[in-house]
Amino acid sequence: DIVMTQSPLSLPVTPGEPASISCRSSQSLLSSNGHNYFGWYVQKPGQSPQLLIYLVSRRASGVPDRFSGSGSGTDFTLKISRVEAEDVGIYYCMQALQTPVTFGQGTRLEIK
Amino acid sequence: EVQLVESGGGLVQPGRSLRLSCAASGFTFDDYSMHWVRQVPGKGLEWVSGITWNSGNIGYADSVKGRFTISRDNTKNSLFLQMNSLRPEDTAFYYCAKDSVPKGGQWDWFDPWGQGTLVTVSS
Repeated sequence: DIVMTQSPLSLPVTPGEPASISCRSSQSLLSSNGHNYFGWYVQKPGQSPQLLIYLVSRRASGVPDRFSGSGSGTDFTLKISRVEAEDVGIYYCMQALQTPVTFGQGTRLEIK
Repeated sequence: EVQLVESGGGLVQPGRSLRLSCAASGFTFDDYSMHWVRQVPGKGLEWVSGITWNSGNIGYADSVKGRFTISRDNTKNSLFLQMNSLRPEDTAFYYCAKDSVPKGGQWDWFDPWGQGTLVTVSS
């Protein structure tokens, strides 16, 4: 199975400051079609998970442009340019290249 | 608007069975792969199973293989998860999620997710 490792696991951030979450996969997520089957999800308090970023860097519908994704192969990063109070939640990375689909442990973003 | 509504959760004794359902609306159900993902309360996400649009490809997590069966009824826009030989460690919220590429041959990304149904396995 592909293991997804996130860091940090806890991320206290002052509003208006940037934030960054890293995710590393145990195998390359690059498919023969040129896509990395990697994405980011956020689970806000009391809610179901929701898609944030897919195919490494494509923002899901309605996601503010302060969120950006980057990376390739085995190393990926989610960046928030200026954290807002509504960004509180747990952020998960996920790979869908191979079965079983696997998630990172989650990174809890909290406001200082 | 795409909607996924899970049902069928509840309290069940170890060793017994339960069948979860996910009612889909707002999209052409038989064009998309679907998934079940579970979450122990307060813990992380675990993919349970996925099924392609035509049921031609099905996958399971090792933790449920041989005990759980995913299926779909495209005539009723519904996804199912038959859970047999339930164990206390199966206690979790179970979410259904829609895959994103129509008639895709592999898993892609999940959007949206349902609100979840809680399964509690306890004597």
